[in-house]
Amino acid sequence: NAGVTQTPKFQVLKTGQSMTLQCAQDMNHNSMYWYRQDPGMGLRLIYYSASEGTTDKGEVPNGYNVSRLNKREFSLRLESAAPSQTSVYFCASKRTATGPEAFFGQGTRLTVV
Amino acid sequence: TQLLEQSPQFLSIQEGENLTVYCNSSSVFSSLQWYRQEPGEGPVLLVTVVTGGEVKKLKRLTFQFGDARKDSSLHITAAQPGDTGLYLCAGVIIGYGNKLVFGAGTILRVKS
Repeated sequence: NAGVTQTPKFQVLKTGQSMTLQCAQDMNHNSMYWYRQDPGMGLRLIYYSASEGTTDKGEVPNGYNVSRLNKREFSLRLESAAPSQTSVYFCASKRTATGPEAFFGQGTRLTVV
Repeated sequence: TQLLEQSPQFLSIQEGENLTVYCNSSSVFSSLQWYRQEPGEGPVLLVTVVTGGEVKKLKRLTFQFGDARKDSSLHITAAQPGDTGLYLCAGVIIGYGNKLVFGAGTILRVKS
C-alpha cells in the first residue's frame, strides 16, 4: 500500500529558483493538504483542497501556489524560493474534509540557500 | 498566532512517570485528533475524539475531550522509552472552512 507519496524527498534550491513538490495518493480520498513543519511551530497549513476542482488558502499561503491536477494528485509550487521557505513539507489526504483521519506522506526536506 | 495552543512544548521524564499534554483553543472543534510523529516520518493518527466529554483509552494513553469541545488532554501512565516522540494535537474548527489545523507539538523524551 503506497498511501501518500511525495517527491522529491530532499531538495536544495538557490534563492529565486522555482520548483514544484509533487504529491499523489492512492486511497481515493477527496481532500488533500499541504503543510510545512518548522521547529517549535508544529505543522502549519499552506493550502488545501477539500475536493477535486477546489483549492483554498490555509494559515501561511504567501509565496506558494497549488494545483489539484486530478483526484489523486495535488502539487505545491514555489515560484521564487526564499530562505524563509526552508522547511520540511508534508502532504496529507483525508477521505473527506470533515473525515476523521489524515494520512501523511514522508515529507520533503527543502533547503533554500 | 496558533489556533491550537499546545503545552508543554518539551517534556523530559524518567521511565515510569506519568505525564499530561494539553491542547487548548478559543474555538469549538467538530473533531479533535492526536498524532504521534517519529523523526523523518509523517504524523500518524493515535485517536479521534468527537463528542464533548468523551474519554478514550489506548493502552497506557488516555485522551479526553473537553465538555465544550474547545480543549483536550493526553495522559500517559507509566511512560516508557518507546513513548519518546513528537505528539501533535489537530482539529477541524467549526466555522473555519473544514481546515485541519495543528498545535505546535510536544516533544516527549522518556529516559530509562
